[in-house]
Amino acid sequence: DSGVTQTPKHLITATGQRVTLRCSPRSGDLSVYWYQQSLDQGLQFLIQYYNGEERAKGNILERFSAQQFPDLHSELNLSSLELGDSALYFCASSVSLGNYGYTFGSGTRLTVV
Amino acid sequence: EDQVTQSPEALRLQEGESSSLNCSYTVSGLRGLFWYRQDPGKGPEFLFTLYSAGEEKEKERLKATLTKKESFLHITAPKPEDSATYLCAVHAPNQAGTALIFGKGTTLSVSS
Repeated sequence: DSGVTQTPKHLITATGQRVTLRCSPRSGDLSVYWYQQSLDQGLQFLIQYYNGEERAKGNILERFSAQQFPDLHSELNLSSLELGDSALYFCASSVSLGNYGYTFGSGTRLTVV
Repeated sequence: EDQVTQSPEALRLQEGESSSLNCSYTVSGLRGLFWYRQDPGKGPEFLFTLYSAGEEKEKERLKATLTKKESFLHITAPKPEDSATYLCAVHAPNQAGTALIFGKGTTLSVSS
């Protein structure tokens, strides 16, 4: 157990639907990152939050959004889902902005049918 | 554009057969190079950080080295439990926040 908790582990949903993925960072970590991993693209950075504030955006679609709550857990919202959104979604956390040795969660496998 | 390329895509070794994985990068002003290990169905696990050319880090049978253009992950006398996908990532000044750019990984299979 890495200390980063992601729920649910698996999610199957239909095209056009909306889902929410949840992440609880490791105790004491203030920074949360979301990554998408697909077979052909590898790990792609989506978005980063630090202590409740958005810090950086990567290749995140407009249909996707995220937030980090006062208790530091984070949620990634995916809407108007398409078949191509099927992937593993990972959350990672680190103690500070200058620490790059992320701790990853075990991911949420999203399947859009 | 900042890029990370890992080779080979897949590597099969016999137990005890040493080898190296390559990570080449095109980054302006590298701020750090990272190695992760990923087991099937799990998230990546942090292994090493390298910051400057000539730096080396070791952990058990793994040794990571860094030059100005590439990094190597040397695996000495591997065991079946070393089988995993090894990911390389970089952080660069023009990369958003403190996010990392990952390569696609090398999948290592070690047979006994």
